[in-house]
Amino acid sequence: AQKITQTQPGMFVQEKEAVTLDCTYDTSDQSYGLFWYKQPSSGEMIFLIYQGSYDEQNATEGRYSLNFQKARKSANLVISASQLGDSAMYFCAMREGWGSQGNLIFGKGTKLSVKP
Amino acid sequence: DTGVSQNPRHKITKRGQNVTFRCDPISEHNRLYWYRQTLGQGPEFLTYFQNEAQLEKSRLLSDRFSAERPKGSFSTLEIQRTEQGDSAMYLCASSPDRGHEQYFGPGTRLTVT
Repeated sequence: AQKITQTQPGMFVQEKEAVTLDCTYDTSDQSYGLFWYKQPSSGEMIFLIYQGSYDEQNATEGRYSLNFQKARKSANLVISASQLGDSAMYFCAMREGWGSQGNLIFGKGTKLSVKP
Repeated sequence: DTGVSQNPRHKITKRGQNVTFRCDPISEHNRLYWYRQTLGQGPEFLTYFQNEAQLEKSRLLSDRFSAERPKGSFSTLEIQRTEQGDSAMYLCASSPDRGHEQYFGPGTRLTVT
């Protein structure tokens, strides 16, 4: 079974509008971390935002926020005020277990295209 | 402060040849990870180092793959007897002991002909 599911292969959004990228996860661990990364066409993975399973508040980083719904096992990324430079692949990832070490498990990604 | 660097950025090799990639993590990052990414997929974990110790290996890391981090700084990933299925982007990431995020390098794109 997939651990990270991103159901939207591609998304379009108008510049300056907000967009939500979906991510659901599957784990039996009580402690885990959720991440979002951006991958532009250049290929480098850029860290965007992190949410710990015990964090009560949704994480925010500038225009990025993570809508964490633990009971639904979802960790959607919300990008506000989209910019042309936001066009890229976006990957949701999870690290299982306690602590900050250990590998990340990635979804298949969502390609976001921002229209002028 | 320089980020994670990887060399070479691109490698084209013939099937059956050996290749070696290098990763230089962010200085003072004790943790180093290797991932592989094929077209249309997210990165898949290969192996993880804490300083010079290789603590975890994925089942994806067949016996043709070997990784080292001899002095706890840079790391190398070697693929012996390359196959066409090895064609992928090989990504390296590092993280500090305290800190959740992993910082990725630009990757090495391998093409096996």
